[in-house]
Amino acid sequence: DAGVTQSPTHLIKTRGQQVTLRCSPKSGHDTVSWYQQALGQGPQFIFQYYEEEERQRGNFPDRFSGHQFPNYSSELNVNALLLGDSALYLCASSLALEGTDTQYFGPGTRLTVL
Amino acid sequence: AQKVTQAQTEISVVEKEDVTLDCVYETRDTTYYLFWYKQPPSGELVFLIRRNSFDEQNEISGRYSWNFQKSTSSFNFTITASQVVDSAVYFCALSEAKGAQKLVFGQGTRLTINP
Repeated sequence: DAGVTQSPTHLIKTRGQQVTLRCSPKSGHDTVSWYQQALGQGPQFIFQYYEEEERQRGNFPDRFSGHQFPNYSSELNVNALLLGDSALYLCASSLALEGTDTQYFGPGTRLTVL
Repeated sequence: AQKVTQAQTEISVVEKEDVTLDCVYETRDTTYYLFWYKQPPSGELVFLIRRNSFDEQNEISGRYSWNFQKSTSSFNFTITASQVVDSAVYFCALSEAKGAQKLVFGQGTRLTINP
């Protein structure tokens, strides 16, 4: 049973560039959530995708956007990168049944913005 | 708004000692979920437990136990007879019971078990 996978593992970009991170959910899951974890902090919710639409969004600017594909995999895009975007980006998958929505996390993508 | 507080930033104990990680939460919802996740140095968050707000029964899983007290809005985690492999950052999290059920995390507690 494959767990949540993310790519790439590490990424180095410069300010102003754009980046795309990818996530494949755990087998049988249909919902993908993205979190940003700055060094020494708890993860912060970015947004969640279900049925190929953004279901809920956290307090992040429009530079952060996403997409979900018919196979439930997802991408996180960040435009006009800032130094403050350097963080571990975590993807979590879950099954959208009311009251049973435990999120399982992938290994993360560590983004460094120079 | 929902909030989770883990007042212990770092804890260091010697192997085989018992250790308790504290978690206090705030929410206006009457139905919600509480979670504990473990984050080893590799970075992946590992799910440990989910507790429904209606279920205040304490739970034990091997060396791990959880004490949920709704009256004090606390959901504490105890490791009995700690081992070096328990060294990690532990996060307590809260989610609403409907909608996207986004997780609101505490700041985490870094636990170091010394041999």
